[in-house]
Amino acid sequence: GQQVMQIPQYQHVQEGEDFTTYCNSSTTLSNIQWYKQRPGGHPVFLIQLVKSGEVKKQKRLTFQFGEAKKNSSLHITATQTTDVGTYFCAGRRGSGGSNYKLTFGKGTLLTVNP
Amino acid sequence: KAGVTQTPRYLIKTRGQQVTLSCSPISGHRSVSWYQQTPGQGLQFLFEYFSETQRNKGNFPGRFSGRQFSNSRSEMNVSTLELGDSALYLCASSSVQGGHEQYFGPGTRLTVT
Repeated sequence: GQQVMQIPQYQHVQEGEDFTTYCNSSTTLSNIQWYKQRPGGHPVFLIQLVKSGEVKKQKRLTFQFGEAKKNSSLHITATQTTDVGTYFCAGRRGSGGSNYKLTFGKGTLLTVNP
Repeated sequence: KAGVTQTPRYLIKTRGQQVTLSCSPISGHRSVSWYQQTPGQGLQFLFEYFSETQRNKGNFPGRFSGRQFSNSRSEMNVSTLELGDSALYLCASSSVQGGHEQYFGPGTRLTVT
């Protein structure tokens, strides 16, 4: 079945440092989504990427979708303590029947030292 | 708009019992998906309902079932509970069927003893 691998599993940074998490799928995706889950909270939708090579920015967050639509990354510039949480990618396969379900990566837990 | 609501928030059951969890989606959203979240396995897709029909199903045993009502509210049932069913069960709604942006509820924390 489809697998979505996410690295690293954990990342600890000093406040102000940059952070990147990577997501790789075993199959080509029709879209990839990113979510953030604060400790004790629930996943919150951040963004969806659809096009090959797409880059989207949200303030200090930059999201990329690979040319082959099999990998993606989330980069945070100058982390803040409010960025603490687990970041998940979720991939949706192309078309038809059971392919429509989302497969989540295991997530990257980001901690920030003030 | 009000967000996704789930009841109950916490539940303790014993092995062999059954449990029913409830989810009310965002108003106007017709797709409801259920996920199981555990430290070891992460977020795993259980099933998706759209217009009262199950559209997709994950790799869980038949003890896990669900349904959706005409007002888009959904319930999930787990029968013959096992210790390994202890998890956070998350419901997510979407305006579109089939793996688009998901709006999650706060979850139901199920503990099986």
